Amino acid sequence: DTAVSQTPKYLVTQMGNDKSIKCEQNLGHDTMYWYKQDSKKFLKIMFSYNNKELIINETVPNRFSPKSPDKAHLNLHINSLELGDSAVYFCASSPRTLSYNEQFFGPGTRLTVL
Amino acid sequence: GENVEQHPSTLSVQEGDSAVIKCTYSDSASNYFPWYKQELGKRPQLIIDIRSNVGEKKDQRIAVTLNKTAKHFSLHITETQPEDSAVYFCAASGSYQLTFGKGTKLSVIP
Repeated sequence: DTAVSQTPKYLVTQMGNDKSIKCEQNLGHDTMYWYKQDSKKFLKIMFSYNNKELIINETVPNRFSPKSPDKAHLNLHINSLELGDSAVYFCASSPRTLSYNEQFFGPGTRLTVL
Repeated sequence: GENVEQHPSTLSVQEGDSAVIKCTYSDSASNYFPWYKQELGKRPQLIIDIRSNVGEKKDQRIAVTLNKTAKHFSLHITETQPEDSAVYFCAASGSYQLTFGKGTKLSVIP
């Protein structure tokens, strides 16, 4: 009965590699997000999709590419990983894009780039 | 874009005392202000929220106040307990996204 799930939970990889993180929500929500939480715990939005359409694309390197095959899934692909990409990545979903909507977070993926 | 400032960054209180965390925002169009609690190693979870047409909201030991004129809002936790120890984030929502404050690490000392 998991609401928002992410895989993997931990990801350890070498610099220069390409990796993907998967996210799925079974809440029937229209909107999904990716956040990055750095070592200082700062939560920063990266992307937002509404019904498979990109609506927010914050200033992130173009090595990061989100993909939404359907409105229940939002995956994050990262090319040419760098040390500074090490962080916890959270997926989240909400009923719709407008305000007044609680965002439900996934458990997070801790990415470590060596 | 929206900018949310949160203070203090760390807060230690004795069990049973009250804790107050304050946030300011910059975009007068923001109209939704949630607070999230993140325990160590866990995901952020909503604990209370307030909309711009309301000045105060309370849920048991937790209350939030909003001053739209001054563009600030606050979280109040009364009768703190050790399980209240966590990082608390305020956020402000405008058109399409939440902008989070940098978090307050609350430690409740038994």
